[in-house]
Amino acid sequence: ETGVTQTPRHLVMGMTNKKSLKCEQHLGHNAMYWYKQSAKKPLELMFVYSLEERVENNSVPSRFSPECPNSSHLFLHLHTLQPEDSALYLCASSQASGGYEQYFGPGTRLTVT
Amino acid sequence: GENVEQHPSTLSVQEGDSAVIKCTYSDSASNYFPWYKQELGKRPQLIIDIRSNVGEKKDQRIAVTLNKTAKHFSLHITETQPEDSAVYFCAASGTNAGGTSYGKLTFGQGTILTVHP
Repeated sequence: ETGVTQTPRHLVMGMTNKKSLKCEQHLGHNAMYWYKQSAKKPLELMFVYSLEERVENNSVPSRFSPECPNSSHLFLHLHTLQPEDSALYLCASSQASGGYEQYFGPGTRLTVT
Repeated sequence: GENVEQHPSTLSVQEGDSAVIKCTYSDSASNYFPWYKQELGKRPQLIIDIRSNVGEKKDQRIAVTLNKTAKHFSLHITETQPEDSAVYFCAASGTNAGGTSYGKLTFGQGTILTVHP
């Protein structure tokens, strides 16, 4: 598959569960991003990895833990989430230099029960 | 850091009318301003972008204007069609605390555009 892919597409988890979201890009990019999209705050940047190094963490709670093992893969590890964490989680990638289009994945619809 | 404000939050037009969405940004170092369209249940996709060395860019029915002095940019859609109905996001490139730009975008709050047949 080309572009940016995300798995799973839908996830329902309890507050005590541990799960991981996966993102993979096939575009040769060297920067990857996690966004949270909910009704109240449409597109919130969570984490940025540039050249496999985390360069930004926008005050995200520690129950969200990112991992970027290489420039093509990005993970978001989830544990002890809260119901308010239910949202669409979007991954994106781009070239690391400023001024380039970000390509988005289809997202993971997360529901925390 | 960068702050982007987008207005209006909702916009309803009749088919064939024009639609205008406006955004302001705070970081004078921002030099890249894309617009994304997100249809219901789908991912955001780039529809047009503009760089700081250009004042206007047009692509068929879509145009974007940039006023660097005033730090605002706008999306113009002419001859709107029902398939233009979606959420539109503006964004600005911005820089981090160290003054570098590594591809980060700061997004506006989004505009829900509805085009009535």
